[in-house]
Amino acid sequence: DIVMTQTPLSSPVTLGQPASISCKSSQSLVHSNGDTYLSWLQQRPGQPPRLLIYKISNRFSGVPDRFSGSGAGTDFTLKISRVEAEDVGVYYCTQASQLPYTFGQGTKLEIK
Amino acid sequence: EVQLVESGGGLVQTGGSLRLSCAASGFTFSNYPMIWVRQTPGKGLECISYISSTTIVYADSVRGRFTSSRDNGKNSLFLQMNGLRDEDTAVYYCARVVPGVVGGDHWGQGTLVTVSS
Repeated sequence: DIVMTQTPLSSPVTLGQPASISCKSSQSLVHSNGDTYLSWLQQRPGQPPRLLIYKISNRFSGVPDRFSGSGAGTDFTLKISRVEAEDVGVYYCTQASQLPYTFGQGTKLEIK
Repeated sequence: EVQLVESGGGLVQTGGSLRLSCAASGFTFSNYPMIWVRQTPGKGLECISYISSTTIVYADSVRGRFTSSRDNGKNSLFLQMNGLRDEDTAVYYCARVVPGVVGGDHWGQGTLVTVSS
């Protein structure tokens, strides 16, 4: 199985400041069709996961443009340009390039 | 609007069985693979099953004990869980897979399964 490793596991951020989360996979996430199925999920307290970013850098419907994704191969990053109070929660990277789909351990974003 | 609603969770004794359901609406259910994902405080998120029209895949942790199925006529997904263990205690989510795009674009609210001796 592909292992997804996120850093940091906790990120205290000041409102209005940027935040960045790193995700590394144990093997390349480039699928045989050339696409890379790396996504980012947000889970607010008491809520199910919600899709933010898919295929590395595509924002899902309704996701604010302060969220952006980048990376390639085995190294990926989620950035929030200016953190807002509603961004508090846990962020997960996940891969769907190979079954079984796997997830990072999660990064808890909290406000300083 | 895509909606996924899980049901069937509850308290069950170790070694017991439970059947989870996921009711889908707002899209052509038969066209999409689905996944079951569970979440525990200790192990985080774990994809335990993937089911399409032709393929069913299980995680090692549940293979031989859990069975996924779907009824496209009733827009429903099921997870039959037998031989339940304490470590199966988790919130269970169903999520929709969009082939060639993403492995989970819409998620249900989840249903809690508690296994206790």
